[in-house]
Amino acid sequence: QVTLKESGPTLVKPTQTLTLTCTFSGFSLSTGGVAVGWIRQPPGKALEWLALIFWNDDKRYSPSLRNRLTITKDTSKNQVVLTMTNMDPVDMGTYYCTRDTIVLRGTNYYAVDVWGQGTTVTVSS
Amino acid sequence: DIQLTQSPSSLSASVGDRVTITCRASQNINNYLNWYQQKPGKAPKLLIYASSNLQNGAPSRFSGSGSGTDFTLTIGSLQPEDFATYSCQQSYITPRTFGQGTKVEFK
Repeated sequence: QVTLKESGPTLVKPTQTLTLTCTFSGFSLSTGGVAVGWIRQPPGKALEWLALIFWNDDKRYSPSLRNRLTITKDTSKNQVVLTMTNMDPVDMGTYYCTRDTIVLRGTNYYAVDVWGQGTTVTVSS
Repeated sequence: DIQLTQSPSSLSASVGDRVTITCRASQNINNYLNWYQQKPGKAPKLLIYASSNLQNGAPSRFSGSGSGTDFTLTIGSLQPEDFATYSCQQSYITPRTFGQGTKVEFK
């Protein structure tokens, strides 16, 4: 069974750095065709894609947040860490850790097939 | 970034109704389009990938179609557990953008 779980602070102050950890099980991030990513959702708003790290350490970021985000992996611990600098109240919301995998056999078609439960982050002084 | 525009933003329907939601991409994304269902307070779930492929475990009343820039999610006969928000997402290129969501409410 594939599971992902987010952990990190629920409250950060403006300008602080947010560090979120995704701990996963049921798959390996050293296996080809697998990636782990982060998606967030402000209250009552749409999903926003943030970042993705592939099994080969290829990293992709949202261009609008590129200068604030860092994604890393620790394959031995089955963890992926996302850091977001200079937090602002507009960054409040639920942050989801996700598994991307090739869902269409014989292609390079990735989709998010498993989501973590999400962790809610508040930004306030 | 590729923009995805869903319509309608919300709709009211009754159990047994046939429901159609559309998603339009700002450029050609071939068939690289996914649909997710999200219930309040829960993480989204993958329903359809590659425009028309039903995810394992998703009910067969859900179907998807389209290619290029125009896509459709259809619920063949709405069930009580289908009242939720549906979002499209493109897997064509990063950033993997989402539509704004369509809320299906009880009439």
